[in-house]
Amino acid sequence: GENVEQHPSTLSVQEGDSAVIKCTYSDSASNYFPWYKQELGKRPQLIIDIRSNVGEKKDQRIAVTLNKTAKHFSLHITETQPEDSAVYFCAASPIGGAGSYQLTFGKGTKLSVIP
Amino acid sequence: DAGITQSPRHKVTETGTPVTLRCHQTENHRYMYWYRQDPGHGLRLIHYSYGVKDTDKGEVSDGYSVSRSKTEDFLLTLESATSSQTSVYFCAISAQSPGEQYFGPGTRLTVT
Repeated sequence: GENVEQHPSTLSVQEGDSAVIKCTYSDSASNYFPWYKQELGKRPQLIIDIRSNVGEKKDQRIAVTLNKTAKHFSLHITETQPEDSAVYFCAASPIGGAGSYQLTFGKGTKLSVIP
Repeated sequence: DAGITQSPRHKVTETGTPVTLRCHQTENHRYMYWYRQDPGHGLRLIHYSYGVKDTDKGEVSDGYSVSRSKTEDFLLTLESATSSQTSVYFCAISAQSPGEQYFGPGTRLTVT
């Protein structure tokens, strides 16, 4: 099955700086890579996702990059704000075949943005 | 938030008792999932459903069973609860697979 490693487990940045979270995956058949944000006591919510036919995707201050050869993908948050403080989860899922309906999540990164 | 609810939201039960958690959606999405979330482990898939009466096991399915008799409801049953099943349980729904999963508010279960 798929295995997703996420680093770092905690990250502290000054407000206005950039934050980068990295994930690696094991199953080369994985083709869908979402990122979820979870605030304390709340449910996870999708913030951005990328499919394997795309190398980079941006949405305002958030971007995700994918390197299929190296089997890793990263979340980039620019101009961080205190409201970006949360736990972020990456996930991977193969398209088609065994496991096509499953997401395998990383263990999460707790991001703290210091005002 | 997508039309997805979970009940109960909190439950305390004793070891050895059966427990059923309910996930209800009003979005008519085909796919439904049950996850558990524990500190240091992230979100782990327990079971999922790809249609009425169609279910399959996830990564941590031992000790759990599920049923889906209607599109809108997905039930998770702990046949005989154990302390290791103390966790926060999230239901999620998705219109396509793979695709964006919308999570419910969660159920905090404590087994004493």
